Amino acid sequence: DAGVTQSPTHLIKTRGQQVTLRCSPISGHKSVSWYQQVLGQGPQFIFQYYEKEERGRGNFPDRFSARQFPNYSSELNVNALLLGDSALYLCASSLDIVAPPYGYTFGSGTRLTVV
Amino acid sequence: QKEVEQDPGPLSVPEGAIVSLNCTYSNSAFQYFMWYRQYSRKGPELLMYTYSSGNKEDGRFTAQVDKSSKYISLFIRDSQPSDSATYLCASLSGGYNKLIFGAGTRLAVHP
Repeated sequence: DAGVTQSPTHLIKTRGQQVTLRCSPISGHKSVSWYQQVLGQGPQFIFQYYEKEERGRGNFPDRFSARQFPNYSSELNVNALLLGDSALYLCASSLDIVAPPYGYTFGSGTRLTVV
Repeated sequence: QKEVEQDPGPLSVPEGAIVSLNCTYSNSAFQYFMWYRQYSRKGPELLMYTYSSGNKEDGRFTAQVDKSSKYISLFIRDSQPSDSATYLCASLSGGYNKLIFGAGTRLAVHP
């Protein structure tokens, strides 16, 4: 069974550019959450999407946006990139909008470097 | 104040040592407490979780939660080089829809 897949695995962008990251959840999972993990820190919650609607948002600026498609895959967009946006972006999927700890599965992440 | 605090280490131990990893949390409403293991260039994988206070053992790993002191611990017995990774403690928000992580402790077990 395929797990959570994220693409691309890594990319380099220039300050001020825009980036789109993609996530495909585990088959049957309807909820996708995005996390940002800066080097040396734990993952920080950015968004949760369920049934194509935003159901939770962390303390991130409006430069961050996301959407979920009918097949439950998701995209995270970041505009006007800053050096501080350099991080590992993780996607986690779960069956439902709420889940116990064992209900969340993470992808391997997309490593974004802003230069 | 962060909701989950964790000493980032790093921690270096010889093979066979007992490892103790610790976290504190501030939100009394937290009920689930988890430990994730993260290898380099990988996403976190759930190692163990506990509900409320108490101990849970799984092979060489033991997780402890003391809700009275808001303290979370993970013990690794007979540590192996393959245990070398970053260990993240985490709690689940009251709505069970958001994971709240500590900073992670990088562990190196050398032969």
